[in-house]
Amino acid sequence: QKEVEQDPGPLSVPEGAIVSLNCTYSNSAFQYFMWYRQYSRKGPELLMYTYSSGNKEDGRFTAQVDKSSKYISLFIRDSQPSDSATYLCAMSGGTSYGKLTFGQGTILTVHP
Amino acid sequence: DAGVIQSPRHEVTEMGQEVTLRCKPISGHDYLFWYRQTMMRGLELLIYFNNNVPIDDSGMPEDRFSAKMPNASFSTLKIQPSEPRDSAVYFCASSLPPSSYNSPLHFGNGTRLTVT
Repeated sequence: QKEVEQDPGPLSVPEGAIVSLNCTYSNSAFQYFMWYRQYSRKGPELLMYTYSSGNKEDGRFTAQVDKSSKYISLFIRDSQPSDSATYLCAMSGGTSYGKLTFGQGTILTVHP
Repeated sequence: DAGVIQSPRHEVTEMGQEVTLRCKPISGHDYLFWYRQTMMRGLELLIYFNNNVPIDDSGMPEDRFSAKMPNASFSTLKIQPSEPRDSAVYFCASSLPPSSYNSPLHFGNGTRLTVT
């Protein structure tokens, strides 16, 4: 079993839809949780960053962390075609902060 | 800042040849990471450096892989000899020390390696 599980999709939604992306993990030491967005033929770029449990909102994006369930989510409201990308969850914790463990990535397409 | 710079963007080589991938991190970033991305395995950490010193190389698949960081502005990942199963996109990333709040990894645009 992988430390971080993420459904690779692909996920296809119409413009304006609410998108929900999720990851589960098994390592209880994880305390830093991130979402990266990766456009085709580009490197991943940080989208959201959360420490420990709770919610964080940034514009149309909301990240949620439930450490008790070892479950994290990313919600995208009013999705746009420009949101079409691969979304990767990533996490780390303990003394190995820099050693991120990534999910497989979910391929999202938002069609007009 | 120009961001993390990787070269070459694409590399096609024959099995058995030596391959060298290059990375210039963002100035001032103390941490440098090498990742490999494939469809089957996703993003995997190969090795990371702190202040030019290798900290964890447990992700390096075999002795055929080696990485160096001779100074704060340059790192290489070498594969010798290369094999078809090494075909992947190799990313370099850099970051500030973890004591800084919100110290994300900044990725380069990767080197797409094809070994025939």
